Amino acid sequence: DIVMTQSPDSLAVSLGERATINCKSSQSVLYSSNNESYLAWYQQKPGQSPKLLIYWASTRESGVPDRFSGSGSGTDFTLTISSLQAEDVAIYYCQQYYISPLTFGGGTKVEIK
Amino acid sequence: QITLKESGPTLVKPTQTLTLTCTFSGFSLNTNGVAVGWIRQPPGKALDWLALIYWDDDKRYTPSLRSRLTITRDTSKNQVVLTVNNVDPMDTATYFCAYRRHSSSGWVSWGQGTLVTVSS
Repeated sequence: DIVMTQSPDSLAVSLGERATINCKSSQSVLYSSNNESYLAWYQQKPGQSPKLLIYWASTRESGVPDRFSGSGSGTDFTLTISSLQAEDVAIYYCQQYYISPLTFGGGTKVEIK
Repeated sequence: QITLKESGPTLVKPTQTLTLTCTFSGFSLNTNGVAVGWIRQPPGKALDWLALIYWDDDKRYTPSLRSRLTITRDTSKNQVVLTVNNVDPMDTATYFCAYRRHSSSGWVSWGQGTLVTVSS
């Protein structure tokens, strides 16, 4: 199985400041035929279902604010919230969908400082 | 508009079989590339993918639970059913079903989830 490791477990950021979450996969999730990494990011607010933010490591899902961006390739990935808003308080998960079993990271809790 | 909704029992006794139904609308599970999956989340813990079924009826399961899981579909009813055999208190979780529009996307739409408690 591909193990997804997120860091940090939690972070507190001031409103308007940048939040950065890291995700590392135990093996590459880069699909050579299209040069895309099969890595997604989700946001889960308290009491809600997860919401897809990013797929292919850096492609923003329709309707997702552009303050959310994804980067990285292969095994190392980053989700950046460029200017944290109050509504961004949530747990963020990365997930690889390169190969079954599809695996999630342990989550990163983002709070307001 | 794509919607998914999970239904099933809220309380199950250990050793029993849990049957969960995902009823969806806004897409067809006959469309090339589409998949519906089940993901669960124990209270206060991370997401854990369980199984998925593709438009062509191909199926995938998480290896650790493979012997206890069965996923099926009824395209006429727009439903996907997950059964979990021989449940244990460790199976207590919120169970979500989710839609994937093609193999290159993540889980695009999710149901609201249903909390299942396994207890005697």
